[in-house]
Amino acid sequence: DIQMTQSPSSLSASVGDRVTITCRASQSISSYLNWYQQKPGKAPKLLIYAASSLQSGVPSRFSGSGSGTDFTLTISSLQPEDFATYYCQQSYSTFITFGQGTRLEIK
Amino acid sequence: EVQLVESGGGLVKPGGSLRLSCAASGFTFSNAWMSWVRQAPGKGLEWVGRIKSKTDGGTTDYAAPVKGRFTISRDGSKNTLYLQMNSLKTEDTAVYYCTTEATMMNYYYMDVWGKGTTVTVSS
Repeated sequence: DIQMTQSPSSLSASVGDRVTITCRASQSISSYLNWYQQKPGKAPKLLIYAASSLQSGVPSRFSGSGSGTDFTLTISSLQPEDFATYYCQQSYSTFITFGQGTRLEIK
Repeated sequence: EVQLVESGGGLVKPGGSLRLSCAASGFTFSNAWMSWVRQAPGKGLEWVGRIKSKTDGGTTDYAAPVKGRFTISRDGSKNTLYLQMNSLKTEDTAVYYCTTEATMMNYYYMDVWGKGTTVTVSS
């Protein structure tokens, strides 16, 4: 299976900060990388697909980049509703795998 | 409105069986690839398996921890996805989500999620 490793595992930031979360794949996955946001007690929500394509309805402060093995999710100016856990997920392989998650907390 | 509603969760003893359902509405269910994803208490997301659309062969794929114990099926007449879980283990305890697996230019992503149903495996 392709292993997905996110860093950091947790992060404290303030409203208005620029935040970057990193995801690394154990082998090249081209651009087959998606990002999800999950709030406590809720289902995950798709933010970014194909590494850099913004899902319809997602604010433009979210952006994704990368290809091959290294990817980033950037939030340009944190809003109160952005405090959540973020997961990357590869769809290169038949067998989907997720990163372990990055918990974004209020400083 | 596109919607997925899971049901069938509950408490079951180790070694037991349970069948989850996911009722789909607001989109052409027969054309959709569907997946199950689970989340153990306090843990991350884990893909369980998928079933492709009938036009794409209707085949299934499973994650290693559930292969041979879980079976995914679909009923187009009822717009419903199923997850039959047998030989349940305590480590199968989780919230189980049903999702659509959409595609854009060969890129696959899970764009619609249900609210989830909770399965607890305990003696």
